[in-house]
Amino acid sequence: GDSVTQMEGPVTLSEEAFLTINCTYTATGYPSLFWYVQYPGEGLQLLLKATKADDKGSNKGFEATYRKETTSFHLEKGSVQVSDSAVYFCALRGRAAGNKLTFGGGTRVLVKP
Amino acid sequence: GAVVSQHPSRVICKSGTSVKIECRSLDFQATTMFWYRQFPKQSLMLMATSNEGSKATYEQGVEKDKFLINHASLTLSTLTVTSAHPEDSSFYICSAHQPGGADTQYFGPGTRLTVL
Repeated sequence: GDSVTQMEGPVTLSEEAFLTINCTYTATGYPSLFWYVQYPGEGLQLLLKATKADDKGSNKGFEATYRKETTSFHLEKGSVQVSDSAVYFCALRGRAAGNKLTFGGGTRVLVKP
Repeated sequence: GAVVSQHPSRVICKSGTSVKIECRSLDFQATTMFWYRQFPKQSLMLMATSNEGSKATYEQGVEKDKFLINHASLTLSTLTVTSAHPEDSSFYICSAHQPGGADTQYFGPGTRLTVL
């Protein structure tokens, strides 16, 4: 079945550092890929998405490129802020999944001033 | 993005009572909504898929008689935790699928359930 693997956290870094969170997936066909962010005590918010190979999703300085050859969708941000401290979830929606999302385990990011 | 609300945001109840959680899509019609459960510092576990006008589809291992789901309209789904026990304490999150161009799930802010 479909699965998503993302790097375990927590990831601790200083303000203005570069952030990368690795995400790889297993799915049949060509899934849509998503990154969601969860701030403390809140639900998930869609951060960005990509629906086909080589698409780049971007939002709030974050970027991720759909890499079919490596089945990856790594999240990057060039200069993080304290306000980026949150849990980040990589997810996929398979073509035959009936709109169900499969989530990775989540990566907690802590940005220190 | 689209807005999904949940009510209540936090509820504390006694063991043996039932609790209803509402999920509303505020600015779009959602034929499909999803209910998740999230344990501390863990990922989301899909409990069930709620389809407007039909019975919910439950994931393996989720008791349908304990977690009653009703999707009475295109903007409202409810989850009722029946005869709640302390082990049901968790963070419950709903999402609503926006079809068409967006073709994206939008999540509610979650409901923190504590069963004493």
